[in-house]
Amino acid sequence: GENVEQHPSTLSVQEGDSAVIKCTYSDSASNYFPWYKQELGKGPQLIIDIRSNVGEKKDQRIAVTLNKTAKHFSLHITETQPEDSAVYFCAASRRDGANNLFFGTGTRLTVIP
Amino acid sequence: KAGVTQTPRYLIKTRGQQVTLSCSPISGHRSVSWYQQTPGQGLQFLFEYFSETQRNKGNFPGRFSGRQFSNSRSEMNVSTLELGDSALYLCASSQGDGDGYTFGSGTRLTVV
Repeated sequence: GENVEQHPSTLSVQEGDSAVIKCTYSDSASNYFPWYKQELGKGPQLIIDIRSNVGEKKDQRIAVTLNKTAKHFSLHITETQPEDSAVYFCAASRRDGANNLFFGTGTRLTVIP
Repeated sequence: KAGVTQTPRYLIKTRGQQVTLSCSPISGHRSVSWYQQTPGQGLQFLFEYFSETQRNKGNFPGRFSGRQFSNSRSEMNVSTLELGDSALYLCASSQGDGDGYTFGSGTRLTVV
């Protein structure tokens, strides 16, 4: 089955700096890659996703890049703010009936004011 | 629009008991998936229901079961609870085409 690895496990940045979280996946049939933000006491919230026919997608301060050949994808957050502090999860899915998400182990991002 | 609603938010059960968790998806969503979240194993897929049929199943023992009703609401049942079943159980709904999952806030189950 699919194996998703995520790095780093913790990340601290100064407010206003950029943060980058990286994930790799093993199943070449995976074609959907969402990123989730989970705050304390809440469920994961979808913040951005990308399909394998696209190399990059941007939504305001958040961007995701995908390299299908290398089987890795990354989340980029620019101009970080204290409210960006949370645990971020990457995931991969095949979207072919076996629609379950395989999650990375999470990155705890702390934005220091 | 209303999000995914999970009830109850917290549960404490004794080993050997059984428990039923409920999930109401976003209106119009026909797919409901369940995930278990623990500090040690992370987020793991339990099963997915689509139009009242189990479409996909993860690698969990048969003590974990679920069902979906005609209004897309779903329930998850765990029988003969073990201490290791203590976890946050998350429900996610989608339209069923494999993306756009929206998660609920989860049910925190503690087995003592």
